[in-house]
Amino acid sequence: DIQMTQSPASLSASLGETVTIECRASEDIYSNLAWYQQKPGNSPQLLIYDANSLADGVPSRFSGSGSGTQYSLKINSLQSEDVASYFCQQYNNYPTFGSGTKLEIK
Amino acid sequence: EVKLQQSGDELVRPGASVKMSCKASGYTFTDYAMHWVKQSPGQGLEWIGTIIPLIDTTSYNQKFKGKATLTADKSSNTAYMELSRLTSEDSAVYYCARSYYGYNWLDYWGQGVMVTVSS
Repeated sequence: DIQMTQSPASLSASLGETVTIECRASEDIYSNLAWYQQKPGNSPQLLIYDANSLADGVPSRFSGSGSGTQYSLKINSLQSEDVASYFCQQYNNYPTFGSGTKLEIK
Repeated sequence: EVKLQQSGDELVRPGASVKMSCKASGYTFTDYAMHWVKQSPGQGLEWIGTIIPLIDTTSYNQKFKGKATLTADKSSNTAYMELSRLTSEDSAVYYCARSYYGYNWLDYWGQGVMVTVSS
C-alpha cells in the first residue's frame, strides 16, 4: 500500500490569508494525486487532479503543486466558504487517501 | 447534470448483509468506472473497489475482498455494493463515486449511505 501522510491535521487561519496543506507519499506517485474538499455533512468534491490541474468550476484561488513524494494544496485569499476538511488521494496504485486537514476560520 | 443518487441509510443487525445502490444520471453510464469509498471516524477514507460497467470487471482493495461485492446493471444505470457478515467495524458512510477509465480521480460523488450495525 502507498501511505499518504497529510499535515497539518487541523488549521486555523484568518479571512484573506493564504494556507498550505501538504501530503507526503511513501513512494513516488508520479503526480497521480488529487485533492478533495468536504464540507460538513456533504460528500467530498474534487478540487485538483494530476497534482496541479484545477477541476471544473473550482475557484482559481485553489492550486496544487508537487512531484515525486511531496505535494501541496494552496488556498489563496481564504474565504468563509472554504471552511471544510481537505483530503489528498493518490492513484498511482490502488487509491489511498490522506487522513485529512480540518480548516477553520480564526 | 451528473448525479449519483444513493439509496437510503441502513440499520442492520450484526452478521447480516446489506445491499446499497447508486443510480447514475446525466452521463453515459458505461463510459465511466464506478468506485466505492468508505468513510469512518477511525479510519478516514478507504477505497473499497471499482467496477467498469461496460465490461463488468471489478477490482478490489485486498482489505475488502470477501466483505464487499460490486455489481452494475447497465439497463438501469445503477451500481450496487453488497456488504456481508456485518460487524460494528462496518458502521460507516459509504460513497459511490465515478472516474473516467484509467484516471482514478473521483470527479462526482453520491450523497453517501450511512450504515449502522447494531443489535
